[in-house]
Amino acid sequence: KAGVTQTPRYLIKTRGQQVTLSCSPISGHRSVSWYQQTPGQGLQFLFEYFSETQRNKGNFPGRFSGRQFSNSRSEMNVSTLELGDSALYLCASSQDSYNEQFFGPGTRLTVL
Amino acid sequence: SQELEQSPQSLIVQEGKNLTINCTSSKTLYGLYWYKQKYGEGLIFLMMLQKGGEEKSHEKITAKLDEKKQQSSLHITASQPSHAGIYLCGAKREGAGSYQLTFGKGTKLSVIP
Repeated sequence: KAGVTQTPRYLIKTRGQQVTLSCSPISGHRSVSWYQQTPGQGLQFLFEYFSETQRNKGNFPGRFSGRQFSNSRSEMNVSTLELGDSALYLCASSQDSYNEQFFGPGTRLTVL
Repeated sequence: SQELEQSPQSLIVQEGKNLTINCTSSKTLYGLYWYKQKYGEGLIFLMMLQKGGEEKSHEKITAKLDEKKQQSSLHITASQPSHAGIYLCGAKREGAGSYQLTFGKGTKLSVIP
């Protein structure tokens, strides 16, 4: 089985722009979670989608949003980018929320 | 304060030596996950522990869960350069109809040949 894939792997944006990141889960996995990783805060939960519905949300501003499609692929959008949004964004998939999560390689976002 | 505290923050060991990484939770543990991360890359799933007293091993890595102490330990026997990386523990936290993982800050392991 192919693992979790994320595109693009690297992205450079400027303040005020918006960005969309994509995640394709492992085949058969219906739950997709997104995390932000920074040196200062570590790995923080953004949100989780299951069957196209957001089931859980972390403590991030409304500029961070996501969605999930019928094939379980997920996208994450960040609007009005700030310097502090520079981070490694990781997505993880699992069969259900109660199973182990498998992570993708991440998207490295740099905001200038 | 951090919900999951990992110790030590970093560790440098000689190849062949044993080592232990600890993860302590400030809240009740319902499940504990261990992951390994190479710098700037995704997380590799190592083990999941769900019951108090549970112990799992994979190759030279053993993890234990002590529910009473709300703590888990990861032990590597006869370390090799391939074990180098950042080890993260993650705890299940119940959300609205599902769960999310809360992670520690990680332990950076360097293995000197």
